[in-house]
Amino acid sequence: NAGVTQTPKFQVLKTGQSMTLQCAQDMNHNSMYWYRQDPGMGLRLIYYSASEGTTDKGEVPNGYNVSRLNKREFSLRLESAAPSQTSVYFCASSTLPGQGANGYTFGSGTRLTVV
Amino acid sequence: GENVEQHPSTLSVQEGDSAVIKCTYSDSASNYFPWYKQELGKGPQLIIDIRSNVGEKKDQRIAVTLNKTAKHFSLHITETQPEDSAVYFCAASILGYSTLTFGKGTMLLVSP
Repeated sequence: NAGVTQTPKFQVLKTGQSMTLQCAQDMNHNSMYWYRQDPGMGLRLIYYSASEGTTDKGEVPNGYNVSRLNKREFSLRLESAAPSQTSVYFCASSTLPGQGANGYTFGSGTRLTVV
Repeated sequence: GENVEQHPSTLSVQEGDSAVIKCTYSDSASNYFPWYKQELGKGPQLIIDIRSNVGEKKDQRIAVTLNKTAKHFSLHITETQPEDSAVYFCAASILGYSTLTFGKGTMLLVSP
């Protein structure tokens, strides 16, 4: 049972380049989330998908787009990367929007550097 | 929306001491309060949670207390060990309705 799988683990982009971060969960969870983690800022919600077919903005959505491809997969796209998007990105999933039976399950993260 | 404040930002203790991390929340409708532990290079992992109909919950060396009136909750770790060294996050939400709002985290360092 893999839980939440994120790819890639590391990525370096040049300013203006685009990329998609992939996330997949195998726990049959309904809700999925993308967070970014920056020093001293904690975990900030970028976008979430409460259920398949729906997506909503979080606290810091600017510069990002998401796609809930199916119940398992939720991708995050940077159309034109900026140095301010240098961060560690975490995908998470849960049974319900607020909390599942065991809370949120997080992936191991993608460390993105934009130069 | 919900705002969660967490203190302290860093905490250093000696092995065997107790550690306490405190959080306050702003939305009186919040009723679910989980704590996550993040080890270096890994994603956060749920260690304990509490719902608003309970004042305290324990799991071996860790416990969480909740004061709904004051809108604050705390994580207590007793008999700390070096492997407890990590970043700890508190969070709050309305069960089944809102997403989790996280505090900024506390880096706990347990020295042998």
